[in-house]
Amino acid sequence: GQNIDQPTEMTATEGAIVQINCTYQTSGFNGLFWYQQHAGEAPTFLSYNVLDGLEEKGRFSSFLSRSKGYSYLLLKELQMKDSASYLCAVNGAAGNKLTFGGGTRVLVKP
Amino acid sequence: DGGITQSPKYLFRKEGQNVTLSCEQNLNHDAMYWYRQDPGQGLRLIYYSQIVNDFQKGDIAEGYSVSREKKESFPLTVTSAQKNPTAFYLCASSIDGQGNQPQHFGDGTRLSIL
Repeated sequence: GQNIDQPTEMTATEGAIVQINCTYQTSGFNGLFWYQQHAGEAPTFLSYNVLDGLEEKGRFSSFLSRSKGYSYLLLKELQMKDSASYLCAVNGAAGNKLTFGGGTRVLVKP
Repeated sequence: DGGITQSPKYLFRKEGQNVTLSCEQNLNHDAMYWYRQDPGQGLRLIYYSQIVNDFQKGDIAEGYSVSREKKESFPLTVTSAQKNPTAFYLCASSIDGQGNQPQHFGDGTRLSIL
């Protein structure tokens, strides 16, 4: 079976850094995605990791350890507009069939 | 502009009624997907299609049906057999059905029961 775990909610201060963890147990692994979703809107693609290590994209970075079944999304220099849910999704099988975690709601406070 | 269009934005269903949610993309993507999202939860896969005239069941296909007669279109029918249809429905597409391509999402349809 497929299981993706991430914290339900996190709170951080504007300008700070927040790290959102994601652990997974899947029958296979073909890559891990992070998406951002503002309330009532569509998810938007943030990052993709398939090899171990850190991928940096501006204020957002994503890390993967395949041996530990672990990833994190790092948000730096937090802005109010970063308040959203962040979804971890794993492609665990052949074909682009994703299994999503429940999402982590991040609240950025002034 | 290229993108994915879902319609309607809001939909109401009466008991015993089938309703169809539209999803159209002009991105020339081969693969398309339907997800259901319940409040405070992640996305669950209903059906997906990697190529025209072919589709597969996802994790929660019961009570739903789809067709893929054209590359651009992947409508989802919520049948009367789906006893708890109230949810946010999201359609997505990707360049192909391989594992390294991000999925791009439409703005969703919110379905409620009357």
